[in-house]
Formats: sequence, structure tokens, C-alpha cells
Amino acid sequence: EVQLVESGGGLVKPGGSLRLSCAASGFTFSSYSMNWVRQAPGKGLEWVSSISSSSSYIYYADSVKGRFTISRDNAKNSLYLQMNSLRAEDTAVYYCAVADWLNWFDPWGQGTLVTVSS
Amino acid sequence: SYVLTQPPSVSVAPGKTARITCGGNNIGSKSVHWYQQKPGQAPVLVIYYDSDRPSGIPERFSGSNSGNTATLTISRVEAGDEADYYCQVWDSSSDHRGVFGGGTKLTVL
Repeated sequence: EVQLVESGGGLVKPGGSLRLSCAASGFTFSSYSMNWVRQAPGKGLEWVSSISSSSSYIYYADSVKGRFTISRDNAKNSLYLQMNSLRAEDTAVYYCAVADWLNWFDPWGQGTLVTVSS
Repeated sequence: SYVLTQPPSVSVAPGKTARITCGGNNIGSKSVHWYQQKPGQAPVLVIYYDSDRPSGIPERFSGSNSGNTATLTISRVEAGDEADYYCQVWDSSSDHRGVFGGGTKLTVL
């Protein structure tokens, strides 16, 4: 069974940093591209970033470009999102999701909540 | 940037057919994927490549895509289908990015 478990969320002040992790199991992690998608409270889904299976290709939403960095460690079956210069508008549940490259996202983890507030 | 437009809400009686639209410029030239999200849960893929169903998704869920509109159709709607539904595409016109519609709340009357 595929499992994706996000961690690292929490309360952080504006301008601060946070590193999210996504631990994957139940599939060959190194063969799949991965994504981060977020959802602000009461709002819709927003794609954040994608990374190919070998990390050769990386894409970011304009809203996070230059502040967030996606990475992965295939030896550890883990996906990461380094978030710097956080803003109030970054407050959201962050989901990691397996991807069919440049297509759909499936499955998704249960998400981790990031709250940016003073 | 590419924009997907969904109606905020759709209401349907049990046993009837619900249709949720997703509008975008020449969306028929793109592959559209649909997700169901129930309160407090992560999204679940219900349709990919316009009209394909993942394993475990009931045949009552179907999709189509042509021109400027993609449609998710749910036949014989059940109370358990009440959820938010999101369409999604990849926009590779200028830079690669994922794009979601704003979401549609399906209410079963």
C-alpha cells in the first residue's frame, strides 16, 4: 500500500523558515516524480512545486519561486520542501503527491499544516 | 497564465445526474484531471486523461473534454458523493506549471 506521510509543519513568524518532509513507502519512490500542493484554510488547491524522479527537472509556482526549494533523497524515500522568507499568505495545508510527470497527482498524503503568523 | 473556471456550487437530488464544468481557453487540447475532496481529507483522483477512471472509482464517474469546456459527470448521485471537486491541467505554454480550477462544491439535496 502506498503511504505518504508529511511532517515538519507548524507555527512560524513572517520571514522565518521551515522544512517540510514527506516520507514515502509502498512503491518504488525513485521511479516517480513528486509534487507539493497546498490549500489555504477554506480555499482551493494550489500547485506549489514538482520534481522529476532523478531531480533533473524542477518547477515552481510563481508565488513561491526564489523562496521555496524542492528536493528529494531517493536513498531515503523522502521528499522535502525548504520554505524561506515565509509570508502570511503561505499559511496552508501542504500535501505531497506522487505524480504522473506533467499530468495528474495520485495518491496524496494527508498533509501538514503550516501557519505563518506573528 | 492559464486559468480554469469552475462554478462554485452545483446541487443535485439523489439518483440524478450531476455535471460539473471546467472552462479554459482551448482546454480540449489539454489533458484534464479531476479530484474529489471530502471535508478534512486529502484529494482523491477520480478522472485522469479527460475520461479515464482509476481503479476503485465507480463507473458512475465519467469525464469529457472538448473545445473550451471539460465536464465531470456523476450519474446516479449518492449522498456520499457530496464533496468539493477540482479540475487540473498542466500548462506548458510558457513555463511548466500545474493549474487547478477554483473548485466546485457538490451538494446532494
